[in-house]
Amino acid sequence: DAGVIQSPRHEVTEMGQEVTLRCKPISGHDYLFWYRQTMMRGLELLIYFNNNVPIDDSGMPEDRFSAKMPNASFSTLKIQPSEPRDSAVYFCASTLGSGYGNTIYFGEGSWLTVV
Amino acid sequence: AQSVTQLDSQVPVFEEAPVELRCNYSSSVSVYLFWYVQYPNQGLQLLLKYLSGSTLVESINGFEAEFNKSQTSFHLRKPSVHISDTAEYFCAVSEPRAGNMLTFGGGTRLMVKP
Repeated sequence: DAGVIQSPRHEVTEMGQEVTLRCKPISGHDYLFWYRQTMMRGLELLIYFNNNVPIDDSGMPEDRFSAKMPNASFSTLKIQPSEPRDSAVYFCASTLGSGYGNTIYFGEGSWLTVV
Repeated sequence: AQSVTQLDSQVPVFEEAPVELRCNYSSSVSVYLFWYVQYPNQGLQLLLKYLSGSTLVESINGFEAEFNKSQTSFHLRKPSVHISDTAEYFCAVSEPRAGNMLTFGGGTRLMVKP
């Protein structure tokens, strides 16, 4: 059974370039989360969707970041323009249902380096 | 607002020794509590969780955690660690009114030495 799939696994890009990270949640899951992990700030929730609708984007750091979920099986996180301080591991995660305490399943992450 | 504090950023321990990773949370309402593990270069995996009932919960690989409401703690323990337990461990909470949104602690890196 496939888990949460993220691409690319690793990306190195130059400052100012656009970066697009992709995520395919587990089939049937109706919640999708984007997290960012850095040494300084740990794990931060950027945004989450329920049934493809953004519910809380208060963690998105600034207007350079945007996320979309055009359908139940695909989401993107875009950074435009990218900056060195955006270097981090970006995790996508998904879960099923509104039952509180449900297990959230994480992808293996997209390791972004902006030089 | 809820928050999670993991007091130790790193815990070195010798193989076969016991270990405790500490986690404290703050919340004005009842919460659900989780421990996730992150092995090197991988995503997070659920280790165990407390939702209700018995305050002691166990994982399949020998870890256990005890929910202590009065001390607002959810410490993770293992009586004898293996080299393969080397990983980063994250404590997390969610509040019923926040749906499935998790708030994570800063993580504790467990380093098991031979």
